[in-house]
Amino acid sequence: EAGVTQFPSHSVIEKGQTVTLRCDPISGHDNLYWYRRVMGKEIKFLLHFVKESKQDESGMPNNRFLAERTGGTYSTLKVQPAELEDSGVYFCASSQVAGGGTEAFFGQGTRLTVV
Amino acid sequence: KQEVTQIPAALSVPEGENLVLNCSFTDSAIYNLQWFRQDPGKGLTSLLLIQSSQREQTSGRLNASLDKSSGRSTLYIAASQPGDSATYLCAVYTGANSKLTFGKGITLSVRP
Repeated sequence: EAGVTQFPSHSVIEKGQTVTLRCDPISGHDNLYWYRRVMGKEIKFLLHFVKESKQDESGMPNNRFLAERTGGTYSTLKVQPAELEDSGVYFCASSQVAGGGTEAFFGQGTRLTVV
Repeated sequence: KQEVTQIPAALSVPEGENLVLNCSFTDSAIYNLQWFRQDPGKGLTSLLLIQSSQREQTSGRLNASLDKSSGRSTLYIAASQPGDSATYLCAVYTGANSKLTFGKGITLSVRP
């Protein structure tokens, strides 16, 4: 069974450009999460999808970040326009049941560098 | 607001030693707790999930315990090996539909 897959693994963009990150969750997992780790800080929650609906987007930093999950399968996270402080590692996770009812499985992350 | 603390930030031990990694959280009303491992440049690998009704979970040489009332969890690694070298992260769920709140992790180095 394939795990959580994220594309690209690395992205270097200039300030002001747009970047789109993609996450393919484990098949059958309705719950999909985005997290981010900036240098020196702990991993922090961005948002949670249940199928195609946003369950909780309280962690999204600002309106430059847009997440979608059309059809309840893969998800994209777009940053437009990117700023220097957006640099970090973006993780996607999926689970069958929310809140730790079952394990959350994480992807390998996308390392975003904004220069 | 839930906060998760893992101290120390780094630990170096000789191979074969039994060790305990600590995790504390400020809000004891957690739902579940999950331990992860992260290798350099890689994603997070789930090690153990402890449900709120459980006090411990075991997987091979790993044993994780949970004491909700005191806001603590420990990850016990028996007979450590160089391959155990990685960053170990503790994370808690504070509700049925809630997200994970992470600690900063403990970077473990096991010397041959």
